[in-house]
Amino acid sequence: GQNIDQPTEMTATEGAIVQINCTYQTSGFNGLFWYQQHAGEAPTFLSYNVLDGLEEKGRFSSFLSRSKGYSYLLLKELQMKDSASYLCAVRDLGQAGTALIFGKGTTLSVSS
Amino acid sequence: DVKVTQSSRYLVKRTGEKVFLECVQDMDHENMFWYRQDPGLGLRLIYFSYDVKMKEKGDIPEGYSVSREKKERFSLILESASTNQTSMYLCASSFRPLAGTNNEQFFGPGTRLTVL
Repeated sequence: GQNIDQPTEMTATEGAIVQINCTYQTSGFNGLFWYQQHAGEAPTFLSYNVLDGLEEKGRFSSFLSRSKGYSYLLLKELQMKDSASYLCAVRDLGQAGTALIFGKGTTLSVSS
Repeated sequence: DVKVTQSSRYLVKRTGEKVFLECVQDMDHENMFWYRQDPGLGLRLIYFSYDVKMKEKGDIPEGYSVSREKKERFSLILESASTNQTSMYLCASSFRPLAGTNNEQFFGPGTRLTVL
């Protein structure tokens, strides 16, 4: 079967670093995505990993280990505007190689 | 900029009504998707389409149907709306992926549907 797990909620303070973990089980892994979703808004793309290792994009980085079925999103120098839900999603070859399976999301609250 | 638009931001319907949700994208994307999002359940795929007139069931297709007559437009149909279909409905589109490439999905603003 397919399963994606990530923590439901996390809290952090401005300026800190936070790591949001995601574990997945899928029969035909074909890439992992992270999306950010502010309350009442649509999800927006943050990062994509298909090979093992770290992808860095400004304050945000994403890591993938395919052998462990594990990814994390690292947010540095947290700002209040980073308060949002972060969605981990896996692209599965079984879904015509194109559809995404989403985790339930991690709600991050950043306080001053 | 990629733009995905949905016909309504808010919709209120009565049980048993037929409901049409429309989605249009302007980037010539092959793939289009319909999700619903509920608290505690996350984004769940209802249907997707990878070409005109083609459709594939997602994880929760029961009670829904779709139509894709033109490449830019993907419609979600609730044949007989029920209260358990009250939800946020999100449409998305993407290019068809080449092996291992990033085909991020672009989302519309969502339609909050309430069925009374």
